[in-house]
Amino acid sequence: DAGVIQSPRHEVTEMGQEVTLRCKPISGHDYLFWYRQTMMRGLELLIYFNNNVPIDDSGMPEDRFSAKMPNASFSTLKIQPSEPRDSAVYFCASTPLFPTGLASQETQYFGPGTRLLVL
Amino acid sequence: AQKITQTQPGMFVQEKEAVTLDCTYDTSDQSYGLFWYKQPSSGEMIFLIYQGSYDEQNATEGRYSLNFQKARKSANLVISASQLGDSAMYFCAMSDTYNTDKLIFGTGTRLQVFP
Repeated sequence: DAGVIQSPRHEVTEMGQEVTLRCKPISGHDYLFWYRQTMMRGLELLIYFNNNVPIDDSGMPEDRFSAKMPNASFSTLKIQPSEPRDSAVYFCASTPLFPTGLASQETQYFGPGTRLLVL
Repeated sequence: AQKITQTQPGMFVQEKEAVTLDCTYDTSDQSYGLFWYKQPSSGEMIFLIYQGSYDEQNATEGRYSLNFQKARKSANLVISASQLGDSAMYFCAMSDTYNTDKLIFGTGTRLQVFP
């Protein structure tokens, strides 16, 4: 399997522009997660989906951020309009089932990340 | 609320030596999972090892082992026979099994292995 695929790997844009980050999860995985990593705040969960349905978006910073998962093999994270404080590395991760601590050793497989710089 | 604490911002170890990276957690749940991830300078997050709260044996994966002390709420990562390629950021994380599928991450420890 190719693993979680993210595109683009790097994005430089100007403040006010729309940014769209893309993710293809591992085939057969039921869950998809979007994270943001910054030096100041570490790794933060933004939103996650189960079977293409958003389950928890409480980590989405504000209305400028939106995420969709139109099908099991594709998700987007959109920032409109972008601001310099959105500069971060955005990770997508997928997992095949509920990450239970009882019996399963399944965990989240991360993509390579998209490094976003908003000028 | 759950919390993960990694008190070592940076660690140094000589090649071939063992090193322990500390992780403590706080939760009121009885069932949870503990994870360690490695993030090399290239940026990707690599899963290393997992420990379930009900697992009686400490988890091991090759040169990685997890020193799980439930009463002390600690889940330290032990890397034996360090290699130069082990130089990276290491993150401890935990999952809340009943309320959410989320992983909560610590702030990380930067490990530097020198020859």
